Amino acid sequence: EAQVTQNPRYLITVTGKKLTVTCSQNMNHEYMSWYRQDPGLGLRQIYYSMNVEVTDKGDVPEGYKVSRKEKRNFPLILESPSPNQTSLYFCASSLSGTGRTNYGYTFGSGTRLTVV
Amino acid sequence: RKEVEQDPGPFNVPEGATVAFNCTYSNSASQSFFWYRQDCRKEPKLLMSVYSSGNEDGRFTAQLNRASQYISLLIRDSKLSDSATYLCVVKSGDNFNKFYFGSGTKLNVKP
Repeated sequence: EAQVTQNPRYLITVTGKKLTVTCSQNMNHEYMSWYRQDPGLGLRQIYYSMNVEVTDKGDVPEGYKVSRKEKRNFPLILESPSPNQTSLYFCASSLSGTGRTNYGYTFGSGTRLTVV
Repeated sequence: RKEVEQDPGPFNVPEGATVAFNCTYSNSASQSFFWYRQDCRKEPKLLMSVYSSGNEDGRFTAQLNRASQYISLLIRDSKLSDSATYLCVVKSGDNFNKFYFGSGTKLNVKP
């Protein structure tokens, strides 16, 4: 089954304790992205990757890191989590396309992170 | 100004009603358009792409108006199961592959 798999689904952690949220897709998609979703603010892009070893900042990258060493994996790293990073996180992937290509996103099931 | 704007709602409609959502986008060079559905605390799921000539999928019809830079979603014969938040998504037209999300319009279909 074509899917984007995120782990963990739920995580409660303490301020400053490094954590990694994993994301893996089995669709051979070039493009992967991380979003956070907060009430009233919608989905905001954290980082994205156009392909292996190509990553770039989205709209809210502060406090996050990513890597793309393999095409299928795109982990999100919080080196020193803070309470303002409490949020619902989604990983998403898409075929890369230009112009009028209508390739949409496939989202993972989400990771609900609480930082206390 | 936001790249994509939607009325947050909620739209409260009875079963069987027809309901329409609009969404406006600011970048005239945008090339790809989508409607996503998101249930509470779940991931967004692609409902339908929106094509220039308009397209229909069962009870759902999507339209694109490039001149006025808006897209619409029409739901006919609403079902209780249509209750969700509907996200308008616009993809930039260059090589950037940047997706812009609206904040979503909440729909409540009542018995």
